Amino acid sequence: AQKVTQAQTEISVVEKEDVTLDCVYETRDTTYYLFWYKQPPSGELVFLIRRNSFDEQNEISGRYSWNFQKSTSSFNFTITASQVVDSAVYFCALSAYPYNQGGKLIFGQGTELSVKP
Amino acid sequence: GAVVSQHPSRVICKSGTSVKIECRSLDFQATTMFWYRQFPKQSLMLMATSNEGSKATYEQGVEKDKFLINHASLTLSTLTVTSAHPEDSSFYICSAASGQGNEKLFFGSGTQLSVL
Repeated sequence: AQKVTQAQTEISVVEKEDVTLDCVYETRDTTYYLFWYKQPPSGELVFLIRRNSFDEQNEISGRYSWNFQKSTSSFNFTITASQVVDSAVYFCALSAYPYNQGGKLIFGQGTELSVKP
Repeated sequence: GAVVSQHPSRVICKSGTSVKIECRSLDFQATTMFWYRQFPKQSLMLMATSNEGSKATYEQGVEKDKFLINHASLTLSTLTVTSAHPEDSSFYICSAASGQGNEKLFFGSGTQLSVL
């Protein structure tokens, strides 16, 4: 069975602090995809990143970075120098291969990040 | 711009009425669309997988007769909540997968359903 665990329900930081959101997943598939989405108060899901299971390179995009560790089944997300606009609920998600099943995402419980000025 | 359009964004209805939610892919053909449900401060739970031209596949525990899904074209899937009750009040969100080997997924902006 597939499962995604985001142990941190809520995180509160002060602006400019770095913050890491944890994500641990379980799957028996050898090929899979991992995602991070941002959900601001308006409700829509904003795509942040998709990572294939066979690509363990870490990625950096501006203030965002992701650390994929297959050995520990983790896909953590770090925001550097956080800003108030980063306040949102962040979801980690897992999907199986192939792509036409890729839309079937298993979401974690979400982490609500609050960045205070 | 948005590649998946979902309407309405918000709907309030009386108990016992039916509500239809539309999910359209704007610039690609979506052979597969997905419907999720999200209760306040909770995660998104997959309700069903909608395949164009065939019956939807429902997740365990989701009532097929309650949540009717139609995927009549490659760009449109609809979710109809039949005989809605207050416990059906929730945030419903659709997603669409491009059929060209592109694993990118696109989400609609969601529909907040409130049943009085």
